[in-house]
Amino acid sequence: GIQVEQSPPDLILQEGANSTLRCNFSDSVNNLQWFHQNPWGQLINLFYIPSGTKQNGRLSATTVATERYSLLYISSSQTTDSGVYFCAVVRMDSSYKLIFGSGTRLLVRP
Amino acid sequence: EPEVTQTPSHQVTQMGQEVILRCVPISNHLYFYWYRQILGQKVEFLVSFYNNEISEKSEIFDDQFSVERPDGSNFTLKIRSTKLEDSAMYFCASRSGGYTFGSGTRLTVV
Repeated sequence: GIQVEQSPPDLILQEGANSTLRCNFSDSVNNLQWFHQNPWGQLINLFYIPSGTKQNGRLSATTVATERYSLLYISSSQTTDSGVYFCAVVRMDSSYKLIFGSGTRLLVRP
Repeated sequence: EPEVTQTPSHQVTQMGQEVILRCVPISNHLYFYWYRQILGQKVEFLVSFYNNEISEKSEIFDDQFSVERPDGSNFTLKIRSTKLEDSAMYFCASRSGGYTFGSGTRLTVV
């Protein structure tokens, strides 16, 4: 099946720093989403981004589908950005189920 | 912004008991899903549901699990005889294009 790999697995930042999270996937996909799992366990949808670039405030994401990767940029990080960031993809031939990566655990220190 | 609502937020049950997890998807969505996340691990697909029937299920979704849409608004996941290893966060999601996840039910089997 399709493999979804995220890097780095863990990241510690000082408040105000910028970071880039990466998601590589092993096969063609129909869709890709980025989620933030907050400390209470909730999965918050950040971006629905099968291709191209999107921005939402301090966050932006770019997916290059032909090269099978996506990047999530966090600028001017805040302590509330802490949590786990998941990338999830939908295979071309599936029932549209999401296949999640293992996540990047981010801790932003004040 | 429309939400997917899950109840209860926490449930503790004794091994062997039946549990029903409830979800109210976004009203104009047609595709519904259950996922689960064992503590510290990635989010895993359980089952997808469309047009009042299961469209795909994972190998995790064995005979002890069932799903139902009893009244056109609720979407339930039943675990017939819970085991210790069923302890996890269970997420309901609905989809129209991108996914929207509920806040999850944390199930603890003792």
